[in-house]
Amino acid sequence: ETGVTQSPTHLIKTRGQQVTLRCSSQSGHNTVSWYQQALGQGPQFIFQYYREEENGRGNFPPRFSGLQFPNYSSELNVNALELDDSALYLCASSLTSGGGGEQFFGPGTRLTVL
Amino acid sequence: GENVEQHPSTLSVQEGDSAVIKCTYSDSASNYFPWYKQELGKGPQLIIDIRSNVGEKKDQRIAVTLNKTAKHFSLHITETQPEDSAVYFCAASEILGYKLSFGAGTTVTVRA
Repeated sequence: ETGVTQSPTHLIKTRGQQVTLRCSSQSGHNTVSWYQQALGQGPQFIFQYYREEENGRGNFPPRFSGLQFPNYSSELNVNALELDDSALYLCASSLTSGGGGEQFFGPGTRLTVL
Repeated sequence: GENVEQHPSTLSVQEGDSAVIKCTYSDSASNYFPWYKQELGKGPQLIIDIRSNVGEKKDQRIAVTLNKTAKHFSLHITETQPEDSAVYFCAASEILGYKLSFGAGTTVTVRA
């Protein structure tokens, strides 16, 4: 069984740029959630994707957007990067079938915005 | 929205002693309360969870208690070992697998 994988591991961008982060869900999982973890803080829910549709969103502006593909992998896109976007971005996959399932987290992508 | 507070922020214990981390939550609709362990350079890993219809759950050296009336839940680690050193997060959500709200984390250090 393959766990959740994320790419890239680290990324450095400058303010105003755009970034795309990628996540491959655990085998058999159909739901992907994205979280932002600032240094020294707990993860904050960005949004969740189920059946290629956004299925709920946290308190993040529209410049945070996502996609889910037919193979259940997902992308997180952030436009017009700000310094405060510097954080660890975590992807979590789960199996949703008539209800939620335990979320399994990937190792994260460390984004630094200069 | 849900607000989860976690205490203490740091905890240092002697190997073999117990560690206790406490969390409170604000949304009475929350029904699912997981605890995660995060080691350096890794994503959070679920170590134990509890649902609102259960008051206590134990798994070997780890136990969690829930008081829905008071809106607080706790993690107890007994006979601590050096490999228990990590950052621990509590979380809450209304539905399993959806929109977890996390506490700020507790850095646990087990002294040999």
